[in-house]
Amino acid sequence: GAVVSQHPSRVICKSGTSVKIECRSLDFQATTMFWYRQFPKQSLMLMATSNEGSKATYEQGVEKDKFLINHASLTLSTLTVTSAHPEDSSFYICSAGWETQYFGPGTRLLVL
Amino acid sequence: GQQVMQIPQYQHVQEGEDFTTYCNSSTTLSNIQWYKQRPGGHPVFLIQLVKSGEVKKQKRLTFQFGEAKKNSSLHITATQTTDVGTYFCAGLFISNFGNEKLTFGTGTRLTIIP
Repeated sequence: GAVVSQHPSRVICKSGTSVKIECRSLDFQATTMFWYRQFPKQSLMLMATSNEGSKATYEQGVEKDKFLINHASLTLSTLTVTSAHPEDSSFYICSAGWETQYFGPGTRLLVL
Repeated sequence: GQQVMQIPQYQHVQEGEDFTTYCNSSTTLSNIQWYKQRPGGHPVFLIQLVKSGEVKKQKRLTFQFGEAKKNSSLHITATQTTDVGTYFCAGLFISNFGNEKLTFGTGTRLTIIP
């Protein structure tokens, strides 16, 4: 199946700093990628749809100025958590694909 | 908005027993997908159902899509320790604007007692 990578896999940062997470489709081009957030023992919640060459589409309740998404190429989307706070600590997962989604391995963010 | 609920939330079974998780959507789905997430891992695609009343099998796993395309089930026969994980259904919705959106269910966490 298709391969999606994420980097970094884990990150610990201080409150107030910004963290960038990369999502790459390794063996296919993805005009659309999705960013999810998963809190412990909970389901995946769609945060935003990343569109290559245009603005991302954010789900209701997700602050676009806090979670900056850039999809500059057909194989790379980035999510930047700006001015991170402890409540932003979570498991962030990206996915790409057509009818079925291939998920990246996820990034565990811990904000101290 | 669209909601996708799963029951039960947790299921503990003895190894060798069967397991079923049920998925219900508030609105009609374009298709439904099932994913498995192992502890500490990421969701892995299992299968997709598209047609009303569709039934698909993968070895010990049987997937069904309801006639109204609003509910689905996953049944595992004779569970094994490798079946441990959280099973998510995910419904694909087509919005009025033609956008596709995948909404994940609440998940069912399966644990196996050896």
